[in-house]
Amino acid sequence: QAVVTQEPSLTVSPGGTVTLTCGSSTGAVTSDHYPYWFQQKPGQAPRTLIFDSTNKHSWTPARFSGSLLGGKAALTLSGAQPEDEADYYCLLSYSDARVFGGGTKVTVL
Amino acid sequence: EVQLVESGGGLVKPGGSLRLSCAASGFTFNNAWMTWVRQAPGKGLEWVGRIKSKIDGGTSDYAAPVKGRFTISRDDSKNTLYLQMNSLKTEDTAVYYCTTTIMVQGVKGYWGQGTLVTVSS
Repeated sequence: QAVVTQEPSLTVSPGGTVTLTCGSSTGAVTSDHYPYWFQQKPGQAPRTLIFDSTNKHSWTPARFSGSLLGGKAALTLSGAQPEDEADYYCLLSYSDARVFGGGTKVTVL
Repeated sequence: EVQLVESGGGLVKPGGSLRLSCAASGFTFNNAWMTWVRQAPGKGLEWVGRIKSKIDGGTSDYAAPVKGRFTISRDDSKNTLYLQMNSLKTEDTAVYYCTTTIMVQGVKGYWGQGTLVTVSS
């Protein structure tokens, strides 16, 4: 089974920019992996921020964007707000399974 | 409005069985591929498995830790997804979420609120 890797933790200043990445042990992440990004705050269910690499959900703030960057999927937060402090997970699709990354804890400090 | 409501969680002894349900509304359920995801206490998200729509074959795929023990099924007449869990282990303790990637009003990726399964003697 493939392994999906994310940074364990990142810190960003309020108003700053941070990029989270999502890599695959099988090689470059492409649009054929249909990358998803999810945000989860303590005690809450995850919610989808980005689907199919770059598409935003109806509730996704404009400061979040998804891309494919250097063989990985990426989630960029531009203009971080205190309420963006959360865990972020990516999900990649393979032929017969989907695999989550281990998650990135983002601290806004 | 898309809604996914899980139920059926609870406390079960190791080796026991439990069936979870997910009641869906707000979209055409029979066209949707449905997925179960779990999260152990203090841990990350883990993909459990998914079932395709009947029109796409209706087959299921499972993650290695649950293959052979868990079965995903669906009743399109009731807009309900199921997860039958057998031979439960303590490491199956988690919140179980029902999700779908069907496109609704131009967006994808909907989650339920989850149901807690605790496997303990």
